[in-house]
Amino acid sequence: QQQVKQSPQSLIVQKGGISIINCAYENTAFDYFPWYQQFPGKGPALLIAIRPDVSEKKEGRFTISFNKSAKQFSLHIMDSQPGDSATYFCAASPNSGYALNFGKGTSLLVTP
Amino acid sequence: EAGVAQSPRYKIIEKRQSVAFWCNPISGHATLYWYQQILGQGPKLLIQFQNNGVVDDSQLPKDRFSAERLKGVDSTLKIQPAKLEDSAVYLCASSPRVGAEQFFGPGTRLTVL
Repeated sequence: QQQVKQSPQSLIVQKGGISIINCAYENTAFDYFPWYQQFPGKGPALLIAIRPDVSEKKEGRFTISFNKSAKQFSLHIMDSQPGDSATYFCAASPNSGYALNFGKGTSLLVTP
Repeated sequence: EAGVAQSPRYKIIEKRQSVAFWCNPISGHATLYWYQQILGQGPKLLIQFQNNGVVDDSQLPKDRFSAERLKGVDSTLKIQPAKLEDSAVYLCASSPRVGAEQFFGPGTRLTVL
C-alpha cells in the first residue's frame, strides 16, 4: 500500500511563480522526510529534508513546511525557474538510513 | 567524489530470459539499496544491505529476484526468469552509514518484451 500520498500528479507554473507540492503520511514512526528531484534519465537527487522537530526548513528557494499533527508536509519552490522543471518525489522513513517510502511523484513544468 | 555507478544503462530482453544489473557504490559507503521504479511511480525498495549483510529484503520477489553484495562493496541484482511486469528502472543507492543521506545512481532501464 502507498505509505506516502503525493499531490498533484502534475503542475504547470509560470516562471517566477510559486510551486507547491503536498504529501501526507499515516505511519507515525516516520521521522525523516526528504524531497528528491529527478531529471529524465537520471537518478533522484536529494533536494532538502526535514525532521519533525521543526515545522519549517528553508534552503535557498526551496522550503519544506511540516505539520506533525496533520501528518502532512509540503515543498514550496519560490521564484520557480524553467530549470526547475523535473519530477519531484516526497519520501519518508523511520530513520534517514532506512529504506525510503516514496510518493508517486509530481511532474513540474515551469514555463518561460 | 565519484557517484554511484550502474551498468548497463539500458537492457532489453524477452520474457523468461535472465538479466543481471551491477552497482558500484560511492567509496566507503557501507549501506547499499536497490529500488525498482516503475514508469510514473516513485521508487520502491527491493533490498537493503549493510556491508555484505541483508538488512531488509521483505519486498524482494524471491522466487525470481536475487541480490548479493560480495566483500561489502559492489552489488549485483538478478532477475530469473523475467516477466513483463518487471519492466522498470532499477536504481541503486548508497549511504555512508545508517542515518545518512542516500545517493542514487542513474539507474538501469529494463524493458521486457
